[in-house]
Amino acid sequence: GENVEQHPSTLSVQEGDSAVIKCTYSDSASNYFPWYKQELGKGPQLIIDIRSNVGEKKDQRIAVTLNKTAKHFSLHITETQPEDSAVYFCAASRPRLAGSQGNLIFGKGTKLSVKP
Amino acid sequence: EAQVTQNPRYLITVTGKKLTVTCSQNMNHEYMSWYRQDPGLGLRQIYYSMNVEVTDKGDVPEGYKVSRKEKRNFPLILESPSPNQTSLYFCASSFSAYARTGKQPQHFGDGTRLSIL
Repeated sequence: GENVEQHPSTLSVQEGDSAVIKCTYSDSASNYFPWYKQELGKGPQLIIDIRSNVGEKKDQRIAVTLNKTAKHFSLHITETQPEDSAVYFCAASRPRLAGSQGNLIFGKGTKLSVKP
Repeated sequence: EAQVTQNPRYLITVTGKKLTVTCSQNMNHEYMSWYRQDPGLGLRQIYYSMNVEVTDKGDVPEGYKVSRKEKRNFPLILESPSPNQTSLYFCASSFSAYARTGKQPQHFGDGTRLSIL
């Protein structure tokens, strides 16, 4: 089955710097890659997602890149702010035709701290 | 407001005492799922449901039961809780696992912290 590895497990940056979180996946049939942000005491919230027919997607200060050949995808946060501090999870999912039921396989999370 | 509601948010109980964690969504979503979150292990899926009366095991189903009698509700049942089920639990839903436009993002509840002594 699918296995998603996420690095680093913790990341500390200075306010205004960029942060990059990387994930690799094992199943070449996976075609959907969402990123979730989890703030303290809250459930994960989708911040951006990308499908395998796209190499990059951007939404204001957040961008995600996908390299299907290498089977890895990354989250980039530019001009970080203290409110970006949270745990971030990547995930991967296979298409229905590959026998999947649409379930997400999550990475183990990255705790991002942005220092003022 | 579109939301996934879990109850209770916190529960401390004892080994063997049956408990149910409720989950309700108001978005008319077909797909619902339960996860547990443990330090260093991320989110692991317990059970999921593609639609009413359709449920299936996730990665860590042992010790849990679910039911999907109505579209909006997806309760998680621990018939005989044990200390290794102490965890943070999340319910999630999406319009469909597969929609015409591709995968649908999952909306999560705010979690239920269970402590089993």
